[in-house]
Amino acid sequence: DGGITQSPKYLFRKEGQNVTLSCEQNLNHDAMYWYRQDPGQGLRLIYYSQIVNDFQKGDIAEGYSVSREKKESFPLTVTSAQKNPTAFYLCASSIGTGISNQPQHFGDGTRLSIL
Amino acid sequence: EDQVTQSPEALRLQEGESSSLNCSYTVSGLRGLFWYRQDPGKGPEFLFTLYSAGEEKEKERLKATLTKKESFLHITAPKPEDSATYLCAVRIFTGGGNKLTFGTGTQLKVEL
Repeated sequence: DGGITQSPKYLFRKEGQNVTLSCEQNLNHDAMYWYRQDPGQGLRLIYYSQIVNDFQKGDIAEGYSVSREKKESFPLTVTSAQKNPTAFYLCASSIGTGISNQPQHFGDGTRLSIL
Repeated sequence: EDQVTQSPEALRLQEGESSSLNCSYTVSGLRGLFWYRQDPGKGPEFLFTLYSAGEEKEKERLKATLTKKESFLHITAPKPEDSATYLCAVRIFTGGGNKLTFGTGTQLKVEL
């Protein structure tokens, strides 16, 4: 079955540590996205990528980094510079960013907590 | 500033009691409105895309409608399995392409 796989489901970070969240898709989608979800707030865009080897900052990129070396993969690193990393992180993909009506499809998320 | 507001924040219904969820938006250059369902601990599941005022989409007990200022998600004769958080999102025209602005969701609980 085609879909988006995020791993791990739960992740714990120690002070000063960088952690990487995995996102893999087999939908052959060009565009991929990372969102952060906090209680009482809408999903907020961290980074997005429209094509391999290219990505752009979203609304809350500070303290995060990404790479897009393969079409299927878009890992997110939460660095020690992100002072409030506890949240539910969601990865999404879509056919392309230039097609208005195509929805984004989401993985089942990674919940990151501070130790 | 582009804004998406969903109401109510939470809604409790009895099984079979129909109701509507609201998503109002103030954006310039709307390029689509999307409805998603999210179960606890899961990612959002796509339900509908609405593109122009007057458009309607249906799926089982759900019907989504769109005006120039808001969208409604009508739930007819809901069942307990319809309990979830319903999110709406709008796509606006930017240089960055298919970027969405999400509302904070309506948490629906359907009881027997």
